[in-house]
Amino acid sequence: DAKTTQPPSMDCAEGRAANLPCNHSTISGNEYVYWYRQIHSQGPQYIIHGLKNNETNEMASLIITEDRKSSTLILPHATLRDTAVYYCIPSAGGTSYGKLTFGQGTILTVHP
Amino acid sequence: NAGVTQTPKFQVLKTGQSMTLQCAQDMNHEYMSWYRQDPGMGLRLIHYSVGAGITDQGEVPNGYNVSRSTTEDFPLRLLSAAPSQTSVYFCASSKGDRVETQYFGPGTRLLVL
Repeated sequence: DAKTTQPPSMDCAEGRAANLPCNHSTISGNEYVYWYRQIHSQGPQYIIHGLKNNETNEMASLIITEDRKSSTLILPHATLRDTAVYYCIPSAGGTSYGKLTFGQGTILTVHP
Repeated sequence: NAGVTQTPKFQVLKTGQSMTLQCAQDMNHEYMSWYRQDPGMGLRLIHYSVGAGITDQGEVPNGYNVSRSTTEDFPLRLLSAAPSQTSVYFCASSKGDRVETQYFGPGTRLLVL
């Protein structure tokens, strides 16, 4: 699995967009990029995933660079409830049988 | 749907005791897994199952047993609890065609004295 680099922590003002970067320069061609978050004391929550194209759902947008070496998760209008640890996880599926490798992630703090 | 449920929410054990952590899902998901999370660390995969009757080891399987007799249930058994197994345990499930999109339970906090 590809290794990832995420900033340890970020701050964001409530109502503003939160842009969380992830570097995955060793990602292989068949690996998707998954994003999860974990709110304090809760189980992780799936947010979004993508392979090459940018993706958007009701929670967030995912921007993947053309060379696929990095991606950015965008929370368009952050709220206090978005304060959590955000994990960027490359995964190929198939023989990895869904083994998600959770690193240290980015602690996002949304403040009033 | 209740999603993924876990019981108990919190448990205290003495060294050497055994216990079973329960996990159930009502989404008819083929894939289920157990993770543990130690303070300040990411999640580590203990065991997983791709369907009823099929289980396999993850990253840190020692000291734990699993079985999958039904699609809905995936219990995790601690054979002889040790202080090193003090952790928060999360169960997850997903559909077989997208196993990386996993739904997690609320967790069981285990303290082994």
